[in-house]
Amino acid sequence: NAGVMQNPRHLVRRRGQEARLRCSPMKGHSHVYWYRQLPEEGLKFMVYLQKENIIDESGMPKERFSAEFPKEGPSILRIQQVVRGDSAAYFCASSPGGGIPYEQYFGPGTRLTVT
Amino acid sequence: AQKVTQAQTEISVVEKEDVTLDCVYETRDTTYYLFWYKQPPSGELVFLIRRNSFDEQNEISGRYSWNFQKSTSSFNFTITASQVVDSAVYFCALSVGGNKLVFGAGTILRVKS
Repeated sequence: NAGVMQNPRHLVRRRGQEARLRCSPMKGHSHVYWYRQLPEEGLKFMVYLQKENIIDESGMPKERFSAEFPKEGPSILRIQQVVRGDSAAYFCASSPGGGIPYEQYFGPGTRLTVT
Repeated sequence: AQKVTQAQTEISVVEKEDVTLDCVYETRDTTYYLFWYKQPPSGELVFLIRRNSFDEQNEISGRYSWNFQKSTSSFNFTITASQVVDSAVYFCALSVGGNKLVFGAGTILRVKS
């Protein structure tokens, strides 16, 4: 049973470019969460999605960031016109969903470096 | 608003020592869930435990144990007879309403041989 998959594991972008981070949840999981870990800091919630729906995006920066979880395919976190401050580890987690907070299983993360 | 405080930034112990990682949380909700995750040097996050607010029983899993006390809003984590492989960053997290996790800043644990 494969775990949460994220790719790429490492991504280098120049300032002003776009970054696309992909997350495939565990089999049977329909809920996806994105978190960001800045250097020397804990994880901060960004967005919570179910298939074709954004449930909670209260942690997403207002500009340049967007997320989707289409009916088919992985969830995508997209960062437009990246800046150095976007350099961080981005983690995706998935859960089966339901009425109680199941433990969220995390992927290995994508380390974004903006040069 | 919810908040998790891990006051210990870094702890160093010698192998076989016991070590306790502190976690204090804040929430006005009566129903909530608490979690611990481990982040080893390789960087992935490993789920350790989930506890709901109605279950104050302490839990033991091998060398790991957790002490949940609602009266002090604490959910502390103890590793008995620590090993070098326990070296990692440990995060305590809180969930209210069933979706997002609010993480503490983490505690770096260094176990020396």
